[in-house]
Amino acid sequence: EVQLVESGGGLVQPGGSLRLSCAASGFTFNDYEMNWVRQAPGKGLEWVSYISSSGSTVHYADSVKGRFTISRDNAKNSLSLQMNSLSAEDTALYYCARYLRNLESLDYWGQGTLVTVSS
Amino acid sequence: ELVLTQSPATLSLSPGERATLSCRASQSVSSYFAWYQQRRGQAPRLLIYDVSKRATGIPARFSGSGSGTDFTLTISSLEPEDFAVYYCQQRSNWPGQLTFGGGTKVEIK
Repeated sequence: EVQLVESGGGLVQPGGSLRLSCAASGFTFNDYEMNWVRQAPGKGLEWVSYISSSGSTVHYADSVKGRFTISRDNAKNSLSLQMNSLSAEDTALYYCARYLRNLESLDYWGQGTLVTVSS
Repeated sequence: ELVLTQSPATLSLSPGERATLSCRASQSVSSYFAWYQQRRGQAPRLLIYDVSKRATGIPARFSGSGSGTDFTLTISSLEPEDFAVYYCQQRSNWPGQLTFGGGTKVEIK
């Protein structure tokens, strides 16, 4: 069974940093590209970042470019999102999701981890 | 920049009725198109991929159609568990760079 479990969320002050993790199981992690998607309270879905299966290619939404860094450890079946210079606009539930490149869609999602940026 | 516009924002229907949700893309970027369902308090789940193919375990009452810049999700007869928010999604410029629509809430009338 495919499972994606996010962790690392919490309350952080504006300007602070946080590192999110996503533990993957039930599939061959290094065969799949991965994404982070977030959802602000009461709002819709916003794509955040993408990483290729090898980790050699990454993309970011303009709203997080230069502040967030996506990475993966295929040996540990783990995906990460390092978030720096956080602001209130980054408050959201952050989901990791598995990407099907040939079908351009996200077939499995975790339950999300909540990031709250507030003083 | 690709923009996906969903309509209507809210659809008020009764169980057993037919639901038709629309999504319009600002440009034609890809032939692939997906729909997701998000029930209250849950993560999104893939409903439709490649415009019209149902994901694993998705009932036949869900169907997708469309091409170019106009896409439609149809629920033939609403069940109580179908009252949720639905999002459309398409790839933007590069593989893995995704755009979501703003969502359509299907609520009980």
